[in-house]
Amino acid sequence: EVQLVESGGGLVQPGRSLRLSCAASGFTFDDYAMHWVRQAPGKGLEWVSGFSWNSDSIGYADSVKGRFTISRDNAKNSLYLQMNSLRAEDMALYYCAKGSARWLRRAFDIWGQGTMVTVSS
Amino acid sequence: QSALTQPASVSGSPGQSITISCTGTSSDVGGYNYVSWYQQHPGKAPKLMIYEVSYRPSGVSNRFSGSKSGNTASLTISGLQAEDEADYYCSSYTSTSTWVFGGGTKLTVL
Repeated sequence: EVQLVESGGGLVQPGRSLRLSCAASGFTFDDYAMHWVRQAPGKGLEWVSGFSWNSDSIGYADSVKGRFTISRDNAKNSLYLQMNSLRAEDMALYYCAKGSARWLRRAFDIWGQGTMVTVSS
Repeated sequence: QSALTQPASVSGSPGQSITISCTGTSSDVGGYNYVSWYQQHPGKAPKLMIYEVSYRPSGVSNRFSGSKSGNTASLTISGLQAEDEADYYCSSYTSTSTWVFGGGTKLTVL
């Protein structure tokens, strides 16, 4: 069964850091692009960042550029999101999503259940 | 990276058809055939319903169809069923190698 399991969310103070992880199983991880998508409480979806299968293409939303860093460890079938200088507006449910092919431009065909990040003093 | 424009809500009766529009620019929807649609039920993760404008993933009902004209993409659901009641989001790949989502449309089945 194809599965994505996020972890690492929690309560963090503004200005602090947090690292999210996504463990993938059931598919050949290094053959696919991977993404992070977030959803603030009661709000819509927002693409955060994506990483192509071979790291040739990495993208970030303007809202997180310079503060967040996406990475992947194909040997561990894992995707990560290092979030620095967190702001109140970063509070959201963070989903890990699998791309449907190697490149960033293909749709997100599998989603995890999300991990909640709460930014508050 | 401005969000794509979707109607906030649409509604229809069981058996009817509805269409949700998604308007962008020539830098996203109009410039690429990488438009996708997602269904999200309350408290659940999104589910891919349409990819590359008009293709359905395996297992998605053929009552769901997608199209595009210029800078506007559309999702049509025919033969509405109660289980179709959910939020729907469009998304598009962009000229800056990023993705942008629409604000979401709440579908109510009357």
